[in-house]
Amino acid sequence: GENVEQHPSTLSVQEGDSAVIKCTYSDSASNYFPWYKQELGKGPQLIIDIRSNVGEKKDQRIAVTLNKTAKHFSLHITETQPEDSAVYFCAAYQAGTALIFGKGTTLSVSS
Amino acid sequence: NAGVTQTPKFRVLKTGQSMTLLCAQDMNHEYMYWYRQDPGMGLRLIHYSVGEGTTAKGEVPDGYNVSRLKKQNFLLGLESAAPSQTSVYFCASSYSTGSTGELFFGEGSRLTVL
Repeated sequence: GENVEQHPSTLSVQEGDSAVIKCTYSDSASNYFPWYKQELGKGPQLIIDIRSNVGEKKDQRIAVTLNKTAKHFSLHITETQPEDSAVYFCAAYQAGTALIFGKGTTLSVSS
Repeated sequence: NAGVTQTPKFRVLKTGQSMTLLCAQDMNHEYMYWYRQDPGMGLRLIHYSVGEGTTAKGEVPDGYNVSRLKKQNFLLGLESAAPSQTSVYFCASSYSTGSTGELFFGEGSRLTVL
């Protein structure tokens, strides 16, 4: 089955800096890669996603890149703000089943 | 809109006791999921359902049972709770699956097994 590895597990940045979180997946048949943000005490929420026929997608300060050959994808957050502090999960859709998540990255943005 | 509602939000059990977690969604979604979240382990899929009356195993199904008798409800049962099942459980639902299937999560149910 699909296996998703996520790094780093914790990331601390200063407000205004950029943050990058990287994930790799194992199943070459996976074709959908979303990112979820989980704030303290809440359930995860989708923030951005990318499909296997696209190399990059941006939404304001957030961008995701996908390298199908290497089977890895990354989340980029620019101009970080304190409200970006949260746990971020990458995921890969394993065809015929459901989303398989990475172990999460705790991002701390200090002002 | 209520979205996805989980009950109870907190529960303490003794080893060997049984309990059921209830997930209800009001978005008319076909797909429903149960995940567990443990420190350093991320979100792991327990069971899921692709429609009323269907269930399927996820990554970590052992020790759990599920039922989807009504489209809007997905129940997660623990027949004989073990300390290893201490976790935060999240239910989610989606209209479809794959690249068109955004998951909507509940706020979680924290279970402690003593």
